[in-house]
Amino acid sequence: EAGVAQSPRYKIIEKRQSVAFWCNPISGHATLYWYQQILGQGPKLLIQFQNNGVVDDSQLPKDRFSAERLKGVDSTLKIQPAKLEDSAVYLCASSANYEQYFGPGTRLTVT
Amino acid sequence: GENVEQHPSTLSVQEGDSAVIKCTYSDSASNYFPWYKQELGKRPQLIIDIRSNVGEKKDQRIAVTLNKTAKHFSLHITETQPEDSAVYFCAASMSGGGADGLTFGKGTHLIIQP
Repeated sequence: EAGVAQSPRYKIIEKRQSVAFWCNPISGHATLYWYQQILGQGPKLLIQFQNNGVVDDSQLPKDRFSAERLKGVDSTLKIQPAKLEDSAVYLCASSANYEQYFGPGTRLTVT
Repeated sequence: GENVEQHPSTLSVQEGDSAVIKCTYSDSASNYFPWYKQELGKRPQLIIDIRSNVGEKKDQRIAVTLNKTAKHFSLHITETQPEDSAVYFCAASMSGGGADGLTFGKGTHLIIQP
């Protein structure tokens, strides 16, 4: 069974620029999550989708972050404009029931 | 919202000894408690989980215990090996039939001394 796929794996941008991340969940997993993991900390939930609907986006900084999951499969997370404090690993996870499986993440560096 | 506290932040044990990592949570409605292992530069990997209807679960050298009254749960690793060295995260969520987003602890860096 293929795991959660993410791209790109690494991205370096300057502050105020925009960036987008892509996630392809495990086939058949209806629930998809985006987490932000700052160095030395645990992952923090940004947004949760159930099929193509948003379940929880209470911790998403909506003035600069946006996410969508068209057709209930792949998802994109966008940051516009980026700030220095957005430097982190962005992890995508998917779930069919309770267990959440993570992708390899995208390491974002904002300079 | 939920808050998960994890201790210790660093744990060093001799190879072959046992390691215990402890977590507390704040929301009594939480009912799902997974543990993840994360090696440097890698993704978090689910190693064991427990739901609120059981008090203990074992999988070979790994066990998790849950005390709902005290709102704490623990990870126990016996006969530790060098490959157990990693950062371990506990997490909690309220899952009413589906899988809600996880609230993670800050992690424990487990070091296995040869």
